[in-house]
Amino acid sequence: DSGVTQTPKHLITATGQRVTLRCSPRSGDLSVYWYQQSLDQGLQFLIHYYNGEERAKGNILERFSAQQFPDLHSELNLSSLELGDSALYFCASGYQMDYGYTFGSGTRLTVV
Amino acid sequence: GESVGLHLPTLSVQEGDNSIINCAYSNSASDYFIWYKQESGKGPQFIIDIRSNMDKRQGQRVTVLLNKTVKHLSLQIAATQPGDSAVYFCAESQGGSEKLVFGKGTKLTVNP
Repeated sequence: DSGVTQTPKHLITATGQRVTLRCSPRSGDLSVYWYQQSLDQGLQFLIHYYNGEERAKGNILERFSAQQFPDLHSELNLSSLELGDSALYFCASGYQMDYGYTFGSGTRLTVV
Repeated sequence: GESVGLHLPTLSVQEGDNSIINCAYSNSASDYFIWYKQESGKGPQFIIDIRSNMDKRQGQRVTVLLNKTVKHLSLQIAATQPGDSAVYFCAESQGGSEKLVFGKGTKLTVNP
């Protein structure tokens, strides 16, 4: 157990729908990072939050959004889902601004 | 542009042999590099890191070598074991950036 908790582990939904992925970082970690892993694109950085504030954005679609709450857990919202959004979504956490991320076990999203 | 690539997508070794996994990076401004191991159904797991002011760093059975002249990174695993079978990713980060750019990954298979 890495200490980073992601729920749900699996999610199957239809095109056009909206889903929310949840991440609880390791105790004491202030940063939360979201990554998307697909077969053809590998691990792609989506967004980074630090202590509730957005710090950096990567290749995140406008249909996707995220937030980090006062208790430091984070949610990734995916809307108007398309077949191509099917992927593994990983959350990682870290302390302060260091780079040694710890990844969760991911949420496998399947859009049908 | 920024990209981290791997020379070999698959590597098969015999148990007990040493393994070398290679990675080429293109961003000469990158100053921090990490190797991750990802087993099936799990999130990436931190193995070892190295900063650009170093050429070599050793861990338990693993060594990372950094050649900044040719922008090449390698991971050496000594006495490879079946439990080392996984996909290995290198990742790079540029100073001041919280974003890790991941390579496509190399699948290591250890044959008994």
